[in-house]
Amino acid sequence: QVHLEQSGTEVKKPGSSVKVSCKASGDTFSTYGLTWVRQAPGQGPQWMGRIIPLLNITNYAQTFQGRVTITADRSTSTVFMELNSLTSDDTAVYYCARERLGYRSGWSPPLYWGQGTLVTVSS
Amino acid sequence: EIVLTQSPGTLSLSPGERATLSCRASQSISTSYLAWFQQKPGQAPRLLIHGASSRATGIPDRFSGSGSGTDFTLTISRLEPDDFAVYYCQQYGISPRTFGQGTKVEIK
Repeated sequence: QVHLEQSGTEVKKPGSSVKVSCKASGDTFSTYGLTWVRQAPGQGPQWMGRIIPLLNITNYAQTFQGRVTITADRSTSTVFMELNSLTSDDTAVYYCARERLGYRSGWSPPLYWGQGTLVTVSS
Repeated sequence: EIVLTQSPGTLSLSPGERATLSCRASQSISTSYLAWFQQKPGQAPRLLIHGASSRATGIPDRFSGSGSGTDFTLTISRLEPDDFAVYYCQQYGISPRTFGQGTKVEIK
């Protein structure tokens, strides 16, 4: 059974940065894509980017290019998402999710999700 | 990026009725890299369908997906009380892996 445990609620000032963690347990960590998705209040999900920890390969949505960094620590099975230059538009629940198949098996959608981390940006 | 347009925005139905949800892509999605998710308030999305028509493990067979290219459909054959929720489609073949804006299935 795969479990993803995210860090807690964050309140940030405009212009600052936030770093959210996601610790995986229960299955092989390194060979799956780990994705970050955010959801603003009342909105649909928005894909931010993903990482394959074994290869340390990342790709990001153009919308966030230059502002988001996704990293992984294989020794602790933890992925991190850091978002810089925060504005009120970044207020959202941020989810990490592990893809259904390992990266060698081709593209697959997120299957296992963390509980979400609420990030509020307010002056 | 691929834009996914879901319709209708809201579907008002009664338990036992059939629900048909549409997801249209702005360009063809190769190899049917199209998924459907269910989301309830305060919860993370739950994967229902991958590869346009394959049910994820543990998903009841009243949920079915179909379609290819740019037009995809999620059908719930007979709505149960637990099915009233918001449904999203996502394409995962081309980066960024975009989501639709959602269809809310509400109790009539």
